[in-house]
Amino acid sequence: DQQVKQNSPSLSVQEGRISILNCDYTNSMFDYFLWYKKYPAEGPTFLISISSIKDKNEDGRFTVFLNKSAKHLSLHIVPSQPGDSAVYFCAPCTSGTYKYIFGTGTRLKVLA
Amino acid sequence: DTGVSQDPRHKITKRGQNVTFRCDPISEHNRLYWYRQTLGQGPEFLTYFQNEAQLEKSRLLSDRFSAERPKGSFSTLEIQRTEQGDSAMYLCASSLPTGNNEKLFFGSGTQLSVL
Repeated sequence: DQQVKQNSPSLSVQEGRISILNCDYTNSMFDYFLWYKKYPAEGPTFLISISSIKDKNEDGRFTVFLNKSAKHLSLHIVPSQPGDSAVYFCAPCTSGTYKYIFGTGTRLKVLA
Repeated sequence: DTGVSQDPRHKITKRGQNVTFRCDPISEHNRLYWYRQTLGQGPEFLTYFQNEAQLEKSRLLSDRFSAERPKGSFSTLEIQRTEQGDSAMYLCASSLPTGNNEKLFFGSGTQLSVL
């Protein structure tokens, strides 16, 4: 039972262009969503979050969009930089459960 | 703030042996989580503590797995009678929730290989 799906295992983008990473979920009770970035041999690092009361949250080059009716969120990185090359995970949660369910991840490669 | 520390970074063991991992969370963080990650998958929730109380355990956590956080500070995860299927990266995370803005801070993980 995969509640969280990241259907693109990998993505390659040219430096300076936009990277769009997608995440779909099935549990309508999820109301808080995190994005994490992971480099090899390191633990995941928090990137950006969004609450279900919003449909957009922006932090510098990173923007997360939430479409609750479609149970879909996306992470936009613009402009993409080679240092952004990593695996990205979305991790939704239902408030009060404190249990974050991670997607399978998307490996982003930004080409110089 | 020294971050979340996990020890050891790597552990190789033979099937049937017991192993124990340690996690030191960020001081003052009252929540501590254990996750497991296998190749090509995202981290899977195992269990979490609020202070010293273990509040939830995943069905993934069989009877061979036990986690403790005796004084609400560091935590240990023990696996008894290891099996090859236990080979994975074991990740610890801690958090200090403030309203709805909880975010998990992860350690670098312990990579377990069961031969």
